Parts: sequence; structure tokens; C-alpha cells
Amino acid sequence: GAVVSQHPSRVICKSGTSVKIECRSLDFQATTMFWYRQFPKKSLMLMATSNEGSKATYEQGVEKDKFLINHASLTLSTLTVTSAHPEDSSFYICSAQGLPVPDTQYFGPGTRLTVL
Amino acid sequence: SQQGEEDPQALSIQEGENATMNCSYKTSINNLQWYRQNSGRGLVHLILIRSNEREKHSGRLRVTLDTSKKSSSLLITASRAADTASYFCATGETSGSRLTFGEGTQLTVNP
Repeated sequence: GAVVSQHPSRVICKSGTSVKIECRSLDFQATTMFWYRQFPKKSLMLMATSNEGSKATYEQGVEKDKFLINHASLTLSTLTVTSAHPEDSSFYICSAQGLPVPDTQYFGPGTRLTVL
Repeated sequence: SQQGEEDPQALSIQEGENATMNCSYKTSINNLQWYRQNSGRGLVHLILIRSNEREKHSGRLRVTLDTSKKSSSLLITASRAADTASYFCATGETSGSRLTFGEGTQLTVNP
């Protein structure tokens, strides 16, 4: 099956610093990648949708200057949390979608971000 | 209520029993998908059913879709302790569109 990796799996940073999370599709070309945030024992909240080579589409209430998304290639998307604060602490998950099954999203293992 | 609501929120059964989870949604859809998430991990895709399909099987999984009632069910037969996880349904309104996830059902299978 399609494999999506995410790096790092865990990160602890100080308040005010920026953190970059990478999402890679390892064995297929992802025309679209999605970034989600998940709070403990809660469902996934879609943050943004990114298509290769174009600007990401952010969901209502998600600050695009705070959560920078870059989808530079068909296998890599990055999420940068800028000037992180403790309230940004969360579980961030990416997913990738592409051929041969365009409707299925394949998820990365997630990144646990803790901002001190 | 939200698109993609699972019922029940939590389910605890004994190994060997069957587990049934339900999902309701509000808008018309192109497809509905079920995912599993182990604690602190990413989601694993289980099965996709399209709006013109009524039932689909994959191993011990059986998914039904009733578009007239805007509901779906996931049945896990002969459950195992390893099936313990959260299960989410997700709906796609058009082919290739974003998915809207439900709140999930926490399944616990006791050995």
C-alpha cells in the first residue's frame, strides 16, 4: 500500500521558535496533501489543503502566516509552525492523495509537538 | 450535529465477539471511508465505499452504506485484542475532494 512518512515524530521546542514538519509520500506521487491537527481523544481538524506547485488553501480560522505550508514537489509537503506558543502544542498529521486511488488519503504517523 | 457522526462513542467487547459501529452524515456524498487509529499514531485506511455501492467486504470487515438514510456501518467480525483502536468514518462530497471526519468510536476488545 501507499506509504507516507512524517518527520519528526516528536518535537519539543521553546515558545517563540519555529518548527518545520515534513510529510513525504514514499511510493506514489501525491497531487494533494492535507494537514490536520488532532487534540487528545478528538477527531481530526483539517487545517489546510495543498496542491503541488500552488498555494495552500486554509480552513476558516487557521492563520496562514502562522502555519506555513509548502508543497514543492509531488512527494514532499512541509508545515512550519512559526513563533510557536504553548497553545500550538498538538498532534499534527499529514495525509497524501494521488493516483492510482484519488479518493483515498494515506496518512503519515503524525508529529507530536510540545511547546514549552 | 456534525457531518460524519459515529455511534457509539465508545464500545467495549470481548475477543471473538462482533463489533458494529455506525456513522451518519448530512450532505450528499461521493464516497465514505473508514479509518483506524491506534493511540498516538496516524490513521490507517480500512475501506472505501462509493455512493452507488451498498455493501463492501474486506477480510473481517463489512461496510454498508444507505444513502437514503445517510448512514453507514462498519462491522468487525470475530474481533481480536489487536482491533482495539479508534475508528473514524470520513465522507468525500466529490471525487478527490477533502474528507470530513466524524468524532470516532473508541473500540476496546478485551482478551
